[in-house]
Amino acid sequence: DTEVTQTPKHLVMGMTNKKSLKCEQHMGHRAMYWYKQKAKKPPELMFVYSYEKLSINESVPSRFSPECPNSSLLNLHLHALQPEDSALYLCASSLTSGGREQYFGPGTRLTVT
Amino acid sequence: AQSVTQLGSHVSVSEGALVLLRCNYSSSVPPYLFWYVQYPNQGLQLLLKYTSAATLVKGINGFEAEFKKSETSFHLTKPSAHMSDAAEYFCAVTGPQGGSEKLVFGKGMKLTVNP
Repeated sequence: DTEVTQTPKHLVMGMTNKKSLKCEQHMGHRAMYWYKQKAKKPPELMFVYSYEKLSINESVPSRFSPECPNSSLLNLHLHALQPEDSALYLCASSLTSGGREQYFGPGTRLTVT
Repeated sequence: AQSVTQLGSHVSVSEGALVLLRCNYSSSVPPYLFWYVQYPNQGLQLLLKYTSAATLVKGINGFEAEFKKSETSFHLTKPSAHMSDAAEYFCAVTGPQGGSEKLVFGKGMKLTVNP
């Protein structure tokens, strides 16, 4: 089973709201990733967690706050977002963080109003 | 830094025709290379991967790709296109084992299949 699940599927939030995106995998993978994808563009890496520790932050604004409570779960907390943050947010996981193929979830379509 | 180049943004083929999507990589060491497919409003699905074993790699849905070091290429092919192949295709590269954690994507190629 190579399934990564993400909830919610769609999210509409105002600029003053606080919301969270959730990602889960049960493949025993020890690396998890958050990507942002705008229309007609490739995914852009935001964060990498390796063995539940943040290993890469691609200079993402602090209004995005990642959390990895355990090896199967990854959250992205959102606060005071801007309309330009509207995008498809993809979660991925891999066995380890060094050179392994990544398996992606279906994404959360976020709209900031 | 590693990178991949997908020239052009759109390819259109007829159903039953050969599919050829080009990808060239730039890396100082033999990389790991991947092809992903993304259907509308969905996540990315791994089609196939090259990790320094066989140079001809077979993937899902009848796709295959050949790693050519002399040409720094990893082109994706399928002998006969099907309507269900219409999607966005991304080539991606990352480091060898113990190397970079980052998966670097090409710009993507939209494949249209005409009946």
